[in-house]
Amino acid sequence: EAQVTQNPRYLITVTGKKLTVTCSQNMNHEYMSWYRQDPGLGLRQIYYSMNVEVTDKGDVPEGYKVSRKEKRNFPLILESPSPNQTSLYFCASSLSSEWRTNSPLHFGNGTRLTVT
Amino acid sequence: DAKTTQPPSMDCAEGRAANLPCNHSTISGNEYVYWYRQIHSQGPQYIIHGLKNNETNEMASLIITEDRKSSTLILPHATLRDTAVYYCIVRVAGSNFGNEKLTFGTGTRLTIIP
Repeated sequence: EAQVTQNPRYLITVTGKKLTVTCSQNMNHEYMSWYRQDPGLGLRQIYYSMNVEVTDKGDVPEGYKVSRKEKRNFPLILESPSPNQTSLYFCASSLSSEWRTNSPLHFGNGTRLTVT
Repeated sequence: DAKTTQPPSMDCAEGRAANLPCNHSTISGNEYVYWYRQIHSQGPQYIIHGLKNNETNEMASLIITEDRKSSTLILPHATLRDTAVYYCIVRVAGSNFGNEKLTFGTGTRLTIIP
């Protein structure tokens, strides 16, 4: 089944303890992206990747890192989490980063992160 | 960047057609209109997209006005499982080639009433 898989679904951690949220897609998609969703703010883009070894900042990249060593995986790294990073996170992928090809985004089921 | 405006909430009776409006008055010629929905806190789900012409798929129909300044998503026979937040999005390209920013607003919360 074609899907975007995020792990874990739920994560509670403490301030400053490094964590990684994994994202994997099995559709051979070029484009991958991370979003966070907060009440009243909608979905905001954190980082995106147009292909292997190509990543760039979205609208809210501060406090996050990503890597794209393989096409299928796009982990989100929080080196020193803080309470303001408590949020619902979504990974997404798309066949092509070229916006004119109008390929839709496929989202994972989300990771709910709580930083205390 | 073209922005979208949607009503914050709507109700629709089960079995009736749900018509969700979206305004995107600053849309430019090559920008597509996409619709996604999000059920509870699951990942957003792609529904349909279009450029100029009306589109239909197994989930919904998309009607885009001739001037492209607004569109309507139609769920022909709404069921309780269609209760969700619906997002109308204009797909934009940033100043850098391939910069793909997909800005979601706060959407329309559609409630299907039994």
